[in-house]
Amino acid sequence: DAGITQSPRHKVTETGTPVTLRCHQTENHRYMYWYRQDPGHGLRLIHYSYGVKDTDKGEVSDGYSVSRSKTEDFLLTLESATSSQTSVYFCAIRGDLSSTDTQYFGPGTRLTVL
Amino acid sequence: DAKTTQPPSMDCAEGRAANLPCNHSTISGNEYVYWYRQIHSQGPQYIIHGLKNNETNEMASLIITEDRKSSTLILPHATLRDTAVYYCIVRAFSGNTPLVFGKGTRLSVIA
Repeated sequence: DAGITQSPRHKVTETGTPVTLRCHQTENHRYMYWYRQDPGHGLRLIHYSYGVKDTDKGEVSDGYSVSRSKTEDFLLTLESATSSQTSVYFCAIRGDLSSTDTQYFGPGTRLTVL
Repeated sequence: DAKTTQPPSMDCAEGRAANLPCNHSTISGNEYVYWYRQIHSQGPQYIIHGLKNNETNEMASLIITEDRKSSTLILPHATLRDTAVYYCIVRAFSGNTPLVFGKGTRLSVIA
């Protein structure tokens, strides 16, 4: 299994509070992604990074920001959490021109916003 | 926008081959077909990918039609552990473009 960890794995917070989710990789892969998954919507891309300090928006980026100050860490921040951001969040990584060009996913973070 | 069309659900008897279809009629010449699956509550898992030739690995086989407008993922001997949502995705190889997931096919393997 690819070396991807997400923290925390579970979090309950209140509306209006800031929340930061962390994705950490040990593979030295260039690309990192944040997805959210909700019933009826499947996996939707929030933000992604194609290098240190290089990020771009995905399909559902409103209300989220990201930062990548070093290769191994990709942080997802909810500046002021809302109940609509209750979801399961998955991080993924992908190497650069690897032989299979596959994305490897982390175990997920279950976030509940009350 | 999803570039693929998959049936929402399928059943398969344990030990039999599971054939999961995918339509991608607007696929471009430089786009590959990827298959991932997601077992309940886990992160998606890569299965296989191909451009135009049929591919096989230890998990599955991928059959792509000659016109590349559709493909079939084959799990040769399905087990209960293969119960999952299977996603068919098309994207260019090694580009910046991330994977875009559709709704996938929920495969239920029945004992």
